[in-house]
Amino acid sequence: KAGVTQTPRYLIKTRGQQVTLSCSPISGHRSVSWYQQTPGQGLQFLFEYFSETQRNKGNFPGRFSGRQFSNSRSEMNVSTLELGDSALYLCASSFTHKNTEAFFGQGTRLTVV
Amino acid sequence: KNEVEQSPQNLTAQEGEFITINCSYSVGISALHWLQQHPGGGIVSLFMLSSGKKKHGRLIATINIQEKHSSLHITASHPRDSAVYICAVASNTGNQFYFGTGTSLTVIP
Repeated sequence: KAGVTQTPRYLIKTRGQQVTLSCSPISGHRSVSWYQQTPGQGLQFLFEYFSETQRNKGNFPGRFSGRQFSNSRSEMNVSTLELGDSALYLCASSFTHKNTEAFFGQGTRLTVV
Repeated sequence: KNEVEQSPQNLTAQEGEFITINCSYSVGISALHWLQQHPGGGIVSLFMLSSGKKKHGRLIATINIQEKHSSLHITASHPRDSAVYICAVASNTGNQFYFGTGTSLTVIP
């Protein structure tokens, strides 16, 4: 079966713009979680969605938001981009919110200039 | 306080050497993942473990749930194994992963 698909893989945006990233989970998976990887901070938890509801949120400003659709696909949005938002954004999907059988996407690399 | 600790942070090896990367965690987990990331690249999941040992080619991953410790071994290392290896644990009380800071491996021909 197809793996977790993140689109786009690479993206360049200008400061002040907004960006939307997409994560399509493995078929049947209902939980999608998002992570940010920066050189200084490593991988940090952004938020998790299960059955279209945000269940948990990390310590990020309100400029970072997300949603999940009825087909379990999830999007995350970052508004008013800052240079420090340049990072690899990674999503993971699992059948339940317990992440026992979780699979990772390859990530979207965002560069803000 | 880091929920996941990896060692070593950096590792340089000669081609053909046996390599071990260690991961210790302090939270209760439902599963542990080993991830690989090449420079500038995305992340590839190598293993998902909840007990025992798994082997895939030259890579072996083990986990000891009682000791809250996992190891990733690479036998007959090759320059293409040069990458950052990240340990990720899935918390059994929440719904998020905790990540180690990664081990940067360089294999010299």
